[in-house]
Amino acid sequence: DTEVTQTPKHLVMGMTNKKSLKCEQHMGHRAMYWYKQKAKKPPELMFVYSYEKLSINESVPSRFSPECPNSSLLNLHLHALQPEDSALYLCASSLGQGSPAQPQHFGDGTRLSIL
Amino acid sequence: GIQVEQSPPDLILQEGANSTLRCNFSDSVNNLQWFHQNPWGQLINLFYIPSGTKQNGRLSATTVATERYSLLYISSSQTTDSGVYFCAVVTGNQFYFGTGTSLTVIP
Repeated sequence: DTEVTQTPKHLVMGMTNKKSLKCEQHMGHRAMYWYKQKAKKPPELMFVYSYEKLSINESVPSRFSPECPNSSLLNLHLHALQPEDSALYLCASSLGQGSPAQPQHFGDGTRLSIL
Repeated sequence: GIQVEQSPPDLILQEGANSTLRCNFSDSVNNLQWFHQNPWGQLINLFYIPSGTKQNGRLSATTVATERYSLLYISSSQTTDSGVYFCAVVTGNQFYFGTGTSLTVIP
């Protein structure tokens, strides 16, 4: 079983809906990440939170809004998404951000489909 | 940014065969991980290997950081080894995935 838990596993939503993806870890990690993965492509980094502060935003459209309420939780709020946003969304965590970097541990992902 | 290329892009093996997957990177890195993504999309950590050699059962990995490559060896392959294998490197605070190798093991 993965130590990073993502919910829901599957989500289908319309373009006008508002929904949220949730990620939780209890390993004491202080860095958390959101990735987007399209079919047959490697994951692409979206956001990085380090010590509950947003440290990297890879020019992600504002219809994706991350939130880190505490060191164990990471949310991704979705609003007015487009069909091309359909993808697997992966959450990961690591001990801390910095050099040398620590290994990242991934959740099982949320498969998102936009109608 | 750093380029991370994997080869071969696709590989088909008969069950029981051995294989070597390669990961080349264009600049010095702080760290390197190998992952297996199964057909259900789960990304499984295989190795955290900035340098040297590690073994875990039928899998082993070697990273030669000075020459900017890493190898993943799979011995006696099984159908459950099918999926996509990614290497990922860390440079500074950035984490870059390689292009992936899609492995199919047929019985």
